[in-house]
Amino acid sequence: NAGVTQTPKFRVLKTGQSMTLLCAQDMNHEYMYWYRQDPGMGLRLIHYSVGEGTTAKGEVPDGYNVSRLKKQNFLLGLESAAPSQTSVYFCASFQGNYGYTFGSGTRLTVV
Amino acid sequence: DQQVKQNSPSLSVQEGRISILNCDYTNSMFDYFLWYKKYPAEGPTFLISISSIKDKNEDGRFTVFLNKSAKHLSLHIVPSQPGDSAVYFCAGNNFNKFYFGSGTKLNVKP
Repeated sequence: NAGVTQTPKFRVLKTGQSMTLLCAQDMNHEYMYWYRQDPGMGLRLIHYSVGEGTTAKGEVPDGYNVSRLKKQNFLLGLESAAPSQTSVYFCASFQGNYGYTFGSGTRLTVV
Repeated sequence: DQQVKQNSPSLSVQEGRISILNCDYTNSMFDYFLWYKKYPAEGPTFLISISSIKDKNEDGRFTVFLNKSAKHLSLHIVPSQPGDSAVYFCAGNNFNKFYFGSGTKLNVKP
């Protein structure tokens, strides 16, 4: 049982480049989330999904897009990366008891 | 505006003593709260939760207290162990979205 898997684990992008972060969960959870973690800011919600085919904005959605074409996958896209998007990104899934299950994170650096 | 605040960025405690981590929140709609523990290079892992209808929940060495009138919760770890050294996040839930504090780094000294 892998839980929540994030790929890639590390990535360096140049300003203006695009990329997609993949989150996969094998727990059949309906809810999935993307957070970013920055020093002194804790975890801030970027986008989330309450089921296959649905997405919604969180606290800091600007500069990001998401898609949930399959229940087990939640993709986070950066269309034109900026240095302000340098962060650690965490994906999580949730099914209504005991909170989220988190992935191990993706460390993204935009230069 | 942060709905959940952890005002102490760090805490250092001697092994065997009590660790008390504090958290304040502003959203009265939160219906339950959780504490997560995070080690470097890993994702946060669930530690303990408490419903808004309770004022205390205990699980082994970990106890969470909730004071709704003060919009304050705390996590007590007794006795503290070196393996407890990590960053602790509190979070409040509103409509299946969790809002996190900025974390408190706990260092338990042997």
